Amino acid sequence: SAVISQKPSRDICQRGTSLTIQCQVDSQVTMMFWYRQQPGQSLTLIATANQGSEATYESGFVIDKFPISRPNLTFSTLTVSNMSPEDSSIYLCSVLPYSGEFRTDTQYFGPGTRLTVL
Amino acid sequence: DAKTTQPPSMDCAEGRAANLPCNHSTISGNEYVYWYRQIHSQGPQYIIHGLKNNETNEMASLIITEDRKSSTLILPHATLRDTAVYYCIVRDGSYSGAGSYQLTFGKGTKLSVIP
Repeated sequence: SAVISQKPSRDICQRGTSLTIQCQVDSQVTMMFWYRQQPGQSLTLIATANQGSEATYESGFVIDKFPISRPNLTFSTLTVSNMSPEDSSIYLCSVLPYSGEFRTDTQYFGPGTRLTVL
Repeated sequence: DAKTTQPPSMDCAEGRAANLPCNHSTISGNEYVYWYRQIHSQGPQYIIHGLKNNETNEMASLIITEDRKSSTLILPHATLRDTAVYYCIVRDGSYSGAGSYQLTFGKGTKLSVIP
């Protein structure tokens, strides 16, 4: 498995501002993903963070609203831009670790960032 | 990926076995069955996964029917800390790009362990 941390753990933001969420892993991972969980709902994949290239976004999510960076194999950021109250959600990163030199098939999740937009 | 059907909620007495069913009648040969749980507002926690054989680890057992159209997650001795939403997810195990690793979460089963 992998130990994953996210910062901040929670935040309250004003409409129109932006927030950058960090995801740090204690070991190198092949893939990193960002999910959103709106209040009372299940998880929805936002995008796959690719190291050294642009993120791959799911339908309904765009780079201008959710820019993602992945500068190395242990770190990624998700920015929620120009926020509105509808962006109030828990944002989660997940990772696919290596097992020795091989990719594993099991995703592990960070603790999440609870965002409230006023 | 195949869809899954789970009961929306279940109760289990503390100390008893919790048996959580999942129907995945359209599962294909390459698709694995994964189970995760989410304890209130925390990140989902991986529990177990399998292809066609029954699996057991320190957390739970996974029983997959011979036709692979359904499975059951068994928590052998449920405790209050097992109260959570349990997600059964079917995912294609053949790698063909990042999309193959996407986990599609349904609504899951809310398990309440009762003292």
